[in-house]
Amino acid sequence: DQQVKQNSPSLSVQEGRISILNCDYTNSMFDYFLWYKKYPAEGPTFLISISSIKDKNEDGRFTVFLNKSAKHLSLHIVPSQPGDSAVYFCAASPTLFGGATNKLIFGTGTLLAVQP
Amino acid sequence: ETGVTQSPTHLIKTRGQQVTLRCSSQSGHNTVSWYQQALGQGPQFIFQYYREEENGRGNFPPRFSGLQFPNYSSELNVNALELDDSALYLCASSPGTGSGNTIYFGEGSWLTVV
Repeated sequence: DQQVKQNSPSLSVQEGRISILNCDYTNSMFDYFLWYKKYPAEGPTFLISISSIKDKNEDGRFTVFLNKSAKHLSLHIVPSQPGDSAVYFCAASPTLFGGATNKLIFGTGTLLAVQP
Repeated sequence: ETGVTQSPTHLIKTRGQQVTLRCSSQSGHNTVSWYQQALGQGPQFIFQYYREEENGRGNFPPRFSGLQFPNYSSELNVNALELDDSALYLCASSPGTGSGNTIYFGEGSWLTVV
């Protein structure tokens, strides 16, 4: 049962335009959401996060939006740059797990290609 | 660079063998988690260690085990390797176990089981 879903395996965007990556989740106990970027042969790199008490968080070119009622979040990258080309993972952290563990549940990733 | 270091970076093992992967957490981080990432999938949580104790486990069999040391470094051990164990193994550290603590990943150890 995939609790975090990224339904678009890939996305292609022109340099300078907006990239929008989407993520859906099913578990209402998730209260913290993160986006990671991953280049081939490297570990995931933390990009931006959002707590369930917020609906928007911004950091430079990256903005994450959270719609709790729809159990949906999105990552906006504006303007997109060729160096943004990578796999983007959405991850969610549940409030409680055993003795309070901040494990992450990941989606399957979206491959973003930014064309020059 | 996150400060989370893993070794070895690549290794090949034979089915039935045992493997140990190592991780040094970022300075100041007392919590270490291990994840398995198969090709085309997102990372899957194996377990977490906090203050040298296992503090949560994902859906992995007991042949996956771990340790955390007083300096917060950690090991992942896998016994009786199977072909499906071939994956990227990621170590991640955080400054605590609470939800809201950002988790930082190392570069990973690529394990191939033949």
